[in-house]
Amino acid sequence: EVHLVESGGGLVQPGGSLRLSCAASGFSFSDHYMDWVRQAAGKGLEWVGRIKNKANSYTTEYAASVKDRFSISRDDSKSSLYLHMNSLKTDDTAVYYCAGVTKDFSLADWGQGTLVTVSS
Amino acid sequence: DIQMTQSPSTLSASVGDRVTITCRASQSLSTWLAWYQQKPGKAPKLLIYKASSLQSGVPARFSGSGSETEFTLTISSLQSDDFATYYCQQYTSYPLTFGGGTKVEIK
Repeated sequence: EVHLVESGGGLVQPGGSLRLSCAASGFSFSDHYMDWVRQAAGKGLEWVGRIKNKANSYTTEYAASVKDRFSISRDDSKSSLYLHMNSLKTDDTAVYYCAGVTKDFSLADWGQGTLVTVSS
Repeated sequence: DIQMTQSPSTLSASVGDRVTITCRASQSLSTWLAWYQQKPGKAPKLLIYKASSLQSGVPARFSGSGSETEFTLTISSLQSDDFATYYCQQYTSYPLTFGGGTKVEIK
């Protein structure tokens, strides 16, 4: 069974940094692209970014709203995904989900999410 | 960026009703569209991929159709477990984008 568990969320001041982690199990993590998606309270889903697999050079893609502030990395030896967040803004306050990308490129497996609150 | 517009934003229905949600894209997606269900406090769940393919384990009362710029999600006979918010998502080009969501409420 696929299992994705996010961690690392919490309260951070505007301008601060935070690193989220996503621990994966139950599937061949290294073969799969992985995404981050976020959701502000009472709002819809917003795609944050993607990291491809080694065969595709670990290429990353980002939403314009986070590009140059956030970066995604992965450690296939640990089946772990990371979201490095810098220069955080109050608008970044949201639940952050990691998601596994299927061969069809839809998002079939999701973690439970971790809450990031950016506030002074 | 490709804009995804869902309608309606809220839908009131009764158990047993046939429910249809529409998603329109600002550019052609071919069939690179997915539908997700989300319940309060939970992660989204994939229902339909490639516009009309049913994800494993999803009840057959859910179906998807459409191509290019217009898509629909249909629930043939609404069950109590189906009251939730539904999102479409395009994955034909970056950035991936979601529709604004359709909340299905009890009438």
